[in-house]
Amino acid sequence: EDQVTQSPEALRLQEGESSSLNCSYTVSGLRGLFWYRQDPGKGPEFLFTLYSAGEEKEKERLKATLTKKESFLHITAPKPEDSATYLCAVQDRTGANNLFFGTGTRLTVIP
Amino acid sequence: DADVTQTPRNRITKTGKRIMLECSQTKGHDRMYWYRQDPGLGLRLIYYSFDVKDINKGEISDGYSVSRQAQAKFSLSLESAIPNQTALYFCATSDLTGEGAGELFFGEGSRLTVL
Repeated sequence: EDQVTQSPEALRLQEGESSSLNCSYTVSGLRGLFWYRQDPGKGPEFLFTLYSAGEEKEKERLKATLTKKESFLHITAPKPEDSATYLCAVQDRTGANNLFFGTGTRLTVIP
Repeated sequence: DADVTQTPRNRITKTGKRIMLECSQTKGHDRMYWYRQDPGLGLRLIYYSFDVKDINKGEISDGYSVSRQAQAKFSLSLESAIPNQTALYFCATSDLTGEGAGELFFGEGSRLTVL
C-alpha cells in the first residue's frame, strides 16, 4: 500500500529564515509526486509535479526536489504570506491515477 | 466565480438524516473526485468518476454514495449520517491525460457536522 509521511508536522520560521519540508514515500512504481498548498478554510492548491529522481521544480521562493525515497520542499527567505499547510501526494502506476496524500506540514512564518 | 463550486459550504445535521453535498465545475474536466479531510489523517478518497457513466469506489466509500448527473456535476450522499462522518469534504477535478492527470483542482470544501 502506498504510504506518505511528512515532517515536521508543524514548523515556525522567522521571516527570511530558509528551511525545508520533507515528504518520505513508499509506492509500488511512482508515476508522480505532487506538492499542494492549503490555506485555512480553503481547498488545496496545486504547486508542483515531480516525475523522476533528480528532478527539480521552482516557483518563487519554493523549490521541490525528488529522490527515489523522498521529496523536499525548500523555502528560501520565506515571507508571512507563505504561511499555509503544505501537502505531499503520490500517484502510483496502478492505472487509476488516484493520489495518496500525506497529512501535511503546517508552516507559520513570523514577521 | 470559482471553477469548482461546492454546496453547502457548512451544514449541521443530526444522526440518521440523509445529506447531499453537491459539486459543479466549469473547467470542462472529465474526472471528478470526492475527498474527506480529517485532522491528523489527511485527505482520503471516497469516490471518483472518470466520466458520466463511470463511478468508482475509493479508499473509504462505506456509508457514502455518489451520482454523476452530468460532466459538470458530481454529488455525494450520506444516506444515514453518523457522527464519525463529521469532516471537511472536498470535491476535485482533473484532466484526463498527460501531465495534468495528477493535478487536481479543488473546491473550497463543505464542512459537515453530524450531531
